[in-house]
Amino acid sequence: AQSVSQHNHHVILSEAASLELGCNYSYGGTVNLFWYVQYPGQHLQLLLKYFSGDPLVKGIKGFEAEFIKSKFSFNLRKPSVQWSDTAEYFCAVTNTGGFKTIFGAGTRLFVKA
Amino acid sequence: EAQVTQNPRYLITVTGKKLTVTCSQNMNHEYMSWYRQDPGLGLRQIYYSMNVEVTDKGDVPEGYKVSRKEKRNFPLILESPSPNQTSLYFCASTRRAPAGDTQYFGPGTRLTVL
Repeated sequence: AQSVSQHNHHVILSEAASLELGCNYSYGGTVNLFWYVQYPGQHLQLLLKYFSGDPLVKGIKGFEAEFIKSKFSFNLRKPSVQWSDTAEYFCAVTNTGGFKTIFGAGTRLFVKA
Repeated sequence: EAQVTQNPRYLITVTGKKLTVTCSQNMNHEYMSWYRQDPGLGLRQIYYSMNVEVTDKGDVPEGYKVSRKEKRNFPLILESPSPNQTSLYFCASTRRAPAGDTQYFGPGTRLTVL
């Protein structure tokens, strides 16, 4: 069955620490990959996406993610987090040409000031 | 302003009382979708629509209905709500099928079924 796995459900970091959130997927065929962020009390918004080309993609607010096809992974990174990055982060996958989206369970990040 | 709107934002109801959650987008998007968000489970797709009069089931369609009579609107209908449908619901739209395209989400509807 198609699935998306996010390894960490809760992460607590201090400001300026580096961040890496894991995402692995199980999906047949070619995929499109997304990271969405949900700030407290707000709706989901796109951080970054990958569908072809350079496997290292850069998104908003200094976030980046690397697609490693051999590992079925799309990990999210940020070199130095800020208090304002406190949010829930969701990895999502669609198969190319498909209509369904599968989301991971989410990772809650809390950044201590 | 380009946006997806949902109404109501909060709703408390009782078991068995039919309800509709509306969703509207002003971006002329073809594709719309409904999700429910539950703690530890992330977002799960309920139904989606590729265009007017074209809908299909997502991963958790039981207990829900949808319709797409106009491009801009995609209401979610709970004919006989039950407590296990207590959840946070999000509507989303995309210019076309979501592969490679960004989904724009509404603000969410928090539903409690007693």
